[in-house]
Amino acid sequence: NAGVMQNPRHLVRRRGQEARLRCSPMKGHSHVYWYRQLPEEGLKFMVYLQKENIIDESGMPKERFSAEFPKEGPSILRIQQVVRGDSAAYFCASSPAGTAFLYEQYFGPGTRLTVT
Amino acid sequence: AQSVAQPEDQVNVAEGNPLTVKCTYSVSGNPYLFWYVQYPNRGLQFLLKYITGDNLVKGSYGFEAEFNKSQTSFHLKKPSALVSDSALYFCAVRDVTGGYNKLIFGAGTRLAVHP
Repeated sequence: NAGVMQNPRHLVRRRGQEARLRCSPMKGHSHVYWYRQLPEEGLKFMVYLQKENIIDESGMPKERFSAEFPKEGPSILRIQQVVRGDSAAYFCASSPAGTAFLYEQYFGPGTRLTVT
Repeated sequence: AQSVAQPEDQVNVAEGNPLTVKCTYSVSGNPYLFWYVQYPNRGLQFLLKYITGDNLVKGSYGFEAEFNKSQTSFHLKKPSALVSDSALYFCAVRDVTGGYNKLIFGAGTRLAVHP
């Protein structure tokens, strides 16, 4: 059973470009969470999605950032017009459906975004 | 608002000695608490969780944690540290307000185990 997969593992973008980060949850998991980790800091929640629905996006910046989890395919975190402050590690996590709060979240290896 | 505090940026311990990594929390309602470990340039690995039941929770790699409701603490412990335990440790609480279940993380504690 493969774990949470994220790609790319490393992404370099120039200021003003778009970044697309992909996350495939563990098999059988229908809840996806995105977190951001700035250097030497803890993880900060960004967004929580279920298939075709954004459940909680309270941690996501209002501008330039968007997320989706389509019926088919991976979850996508999209950052438009990137700035240097977007440089961070972005982690995806997943958990099973049902009584989700009882379950731990399983994390992917992360995508390290560098904006030059 | 839910929050987690890890009061120590770094913990140093000699190999073979017991280790403790501290965590305190603030929640309204029942706490759902987790410990994760992060190795360099890797994702987070789940160690253990407290949902309900026994206050002493046993997890992966010989780690355990003690839930103390009166002190609102959930300290991570191991009887005998290994050099390979050196990593970044995160305590987290699940925020279930509004029916959501995002994790609120502490700032992390770097554990250094010396030979």
